[in-house]
Amino acid sequence: AQSVAQPEDQVNVAEGNPLTVKCTYSVSGNPYLFWYVQYPNRGLQFLLKYITGDNLVKGSYGFEAEFNKSQTSFHLKKPSALVSDSALYFCAVYTGGFKTIFGAGTRLFVKA
Amino acid sequence: SAVISQKPSRDICQRGTSLTIQCQVDSQVTMMFWYRQQPGQSLTLIATANQGSEATYESGFVIDKFPISRPNLTFSTLTVSNMSPEDSSIYLCSVEGGTSGNPLGETQYFGPGTRLLVL
Repeated sequence: AQSVAQPEDQVNVAEGNPLTVKCTYSVSGNPYLFWYVQYPNRGLQFLLKYITGDNLVKGSYGFEAEFNKSQTSFHLKKPSALVSDSALYFCAVYTGGFKTIFGAGTRLFVKA
Repeated sequence: SAVISQKPSRDICQRGTSLTIQCQVDSQVTMMFWYRQQPGQSLTLIATANQGSEATYESGFVIDKFPISRPNLTFSTLTVSNMSPEDSSIYLCSVEGGTSGNPLGETQYFGPGTRLLVL
């Protein structure tokens, strides 16, 4: 079955420190992977995606994600966290047939 | 990217009543999606709506409970019928942002959501 997993419900990090939000996937064929962010009382916003090419994908707000085929992972990273990065982050995988599966979400808290 | 608006932004409803949620997109799109996000949980796809055809519902969702209209390429409505407290959720409208006509791996753009509380 095709799926996406976010093993951490919550990630806590101090402002200025690097952050990582983990995501693993299981799909047949080549994966199309996405990260979305949801700020309080707002809809989801697109951060970045991997379709093909360079394994390191750069996105909005200084975020990047590394596609690792052997580990079937697509972890979201940022070198220096900001308090304003505090939000709910969703990893997603396009499964074909116009459908996207979303992970359970990881809540990121950045402490000043 | 597409700009999507939803009405209402939030509502409090009595059980047994129905609510229609509107979704307006600033450009013509082929596919529109309706998701439900229950409190503290991830997104669950309710249905996919193509203009001019019946919506395609996911397992666990039926047309009688969640009728959808798609009268044109920029607008859709989702009705939550005969509501119960279990329907309390955020309902999100979404479109695929691709312009190539090929939806494979396209980014999705979301409306701000409609927060529904059923008493």
